Amino acid sequence: GQNIDQPTEMTATEGAIVQINCTYQTSGFNGLFWYQQHAGEAPTFLSYNVLDGLEEKGRFSSFLSRSKGYSYLLLKELQMKDSASYLCAPMDSNYQLIWGAGTKLIIKP
Amino acid sequence: GAVVSQHPSWVICKSGTSVKIECRSLDFQATTMFWYRQFPKQSLMLMATSNEGSKATYEQGVEKDKFLINHASLTLSTLTVTSAHPEDSSFYICSASSGREPNEQFFGPGTRLTVL
Repeated sequence: GQNIDQPTEMTATEGAIVQINCTYQTSGFNGLFWYQQHAGEAPTFLSYNVLDGLEEKGRFSSFLSRSKGYSYLLLKELQMKDSASYLCAPMDSNYQLIWGAGTKLIIKP
Repeated sequence: GAVVSQHPSWVICKSGTSVKIECRSLDFQATTMFWYRQFPKQSLMLMATSNEGSKATYEQGVEKDKFLINHASLTLSTLTVTSAHPEDSSFYICSASSGREPNEQFFGPGTRLTVL
């Protein structure tokens, strides 16, 4: 079956760094997306990894290891506006995104 | 670029009525559009996938006669919730893909439906 595993909730301090881990199992693999979703809003695209390694984009970086079925999203210099849910979504062989429940990140001053 | 709009943003209707939600890709052609439903504190649930000019593919457990999807053009897809009931109250989100690598889905802002 297809499965996503992320922590349900994480708490971090403003200005700090946080890493959100994701392990996955899919039928085939065509890359992995990270999305941010604020409460009551639709998801917005953060990053895409299809090859192993680290992709850096400003304060956000995403890492992928295909052999381990593992990815993480790294958020630096946390800001209060980063409080949101972060969704790890691998794409299967049918180019369909597989969604988990996401990780709710709470930023404290 | 890659903007997707949805209309309406929120709607309240009486039980038994039908509601139509529009999803438009504003600055690209969407070969594929997706319709999701999300209940509070739960993950996105894919309802159906639609390709322009063909019938939508519904996920298991989603009633195609209740949730009518039309993808008449490369920039417009509609979802009609027929004979809505209170249990249909949810956040409905569409997304669109151009079909070009990496097949990223661009999401609309969502429609919050409340059925009284």
